[in-house]
Amino acid sequence: AQTVTQSQPEMSVQEAETVTLSCTYDTSESNYYLFWYKQPPSRQMILVIRQEAYKQQNATENRFSVNFQKAAKSFSLKISDSQLGDTAMYFCAFMKQRRYTNAGKSTFGDGTTLTVKP
Amino acid sequence: GAVVSQHPSRVICKSGTSVKIECRSLDFQATTMFWYRQFPKQSLMLMATSNEGSKATYEQGVEKDKFLINHASLTLSTLTVTSAHPEDSSFYICSASRPGQGNYGYTFGSGTRLTVV
Repeated sequence: AQTVTQSQPEMSVQEAETVTLSCTYDTSESNYYLFWYKQPPSRQMILVIRQEAYKQQNATENRFSVNFQKAAKSFSLKISDSQLGDTAMYFCAFMKQRRYTNAGKSTFGDGTTLTVKP
Repeated sequence: GAVVSQHPSRVICKSGTSVKIECRSLDFQATTMFWYRQFPKQSLMLMATSNEGSKATYEQGVEKDKFLINHASLTLSTLTVTSAHPEDSSFYICSASRPGQGNYGYTFGSGTRLTVV
């Protein structure tokens, strides 16, 4: 079974600054996907960024980027130029690769509540 | 992108009654949907996997007779909380992904806040 650990229950950052959220995972799988989801106060879950384990290059989506260290089983999220709208709970998630690429179960971390201060 | 609609967003019901929550994929056919329960400031707890045309797969510890899941069409899955009690009060969320794009992550419904009084 997979486990996902987010060791920072709460974090805060000043607007326009950079913050990094940590995530580690444990798995015996070699092919898998990692995700960061955002849940703002509205509670609508939104996919932020995705990383394929077979790719060495770190994924980037505008101000969001990851530092994926496969050997260390680490998958941190960096938010640059933080904005007030980034205030949310962030969940790291793991999904095994599925042959037929229909939806598979994900394992979620406990989440990190990020507050961006003006 | 994929759109998943969840209804109702909020519901209050009396103890002992049943409540049905709907999850619809609006612009794609979802053969698989997932139902979660989330307590305040906690993670998502997977309750069951809803499979179109077949029985749902429940996670360990989730009562099948209490949380009835029906996935009768490729665009609709329903979760019925039967004989609800105050301890069933929670936030329920569904998710799905486009066929063949499961490895790209989920689209989530907006969630349903259930309060049992």
